[in-house]
Amino acid sequence: SQKIEQNSEALNIQEGKTATLTCNYTNYSPAYLQWYRQDPGRGPVFLLLIRENEKEKRKERLKVTFDTTLKQSLFHITASQPADSATYLCARGATNKLIFGTGTLLAVQP
Amino acid sequence: DVKVTQSSRYLVKRTGEKVFLECVQDMDHENMFWYRQDPGLGLRLIYFSYDVKMKEKGDIPEGYSVSREKKERFSLILESASTNQTSMYLCASGLAGAPSTDTQYFGPGTRLTVL
Repeated sequence: SQKIEQNSEALNIQEGKTATLTCNYTNYSPAYLQWYRQDPGRGPVFLLLIRENEKEKRKERLKVTFDTTLKQSLFHITASQPADSATYLCARGATNKLIFGTGTLLAVQP
Repeated sequence: DVKVTQSSRYLVKRTGEKVFLECVQDMDHENMFWYRQDPGLGLRLIYFSYDVKMKEKGDIPEGYSVSREKKERFSLILESASTNQTSMYLCASGLAGAPSTDTQYFGPGTRLTVL
């Protein structure tokens, strides 16, 4: 079955450093991967979408990569800030739906 | 900005009650979704709808039904609430086309507790 795996352990980093979150998928490569941010008690908010034929996508301090050989997407936040603290979800497409990972909690310490 | 609203942020119901969760979106999106989110299990799709009066089962439809009488409104119904339906319920909407590829816009969620 198609799965999305994200590190369930929280990632703690110092303000100003680059945070790197990992998303691994199983079976065939999805045409797209999406990344969302979720704050406690709130719904996820879309951040970035990367297509299978795109190696890298950027948006301000965010960067996403898609490696079909490793079956992996990396999500980077450069110059991280305490306000970046949240859970980040990765999602892949499947027939008529998105399959979400369980998310990785990022905590940026001041 | 897309706005997806849900009727309640918090809801407490008793076992056996019929529960209605309402979702409204204001961007004329064709696709609408209901998920539940539980710790360690992530977001799981309950039902989705790609048009008025159309519905498709997701991964965990048992114990739930849905209604979409108008394009902007998608309701989730728990016919007889049980304690294992205590969860965070999230509604989302998206443009027409493959839900697998399009961005989804989420509401704030309803935290339902069934006693």
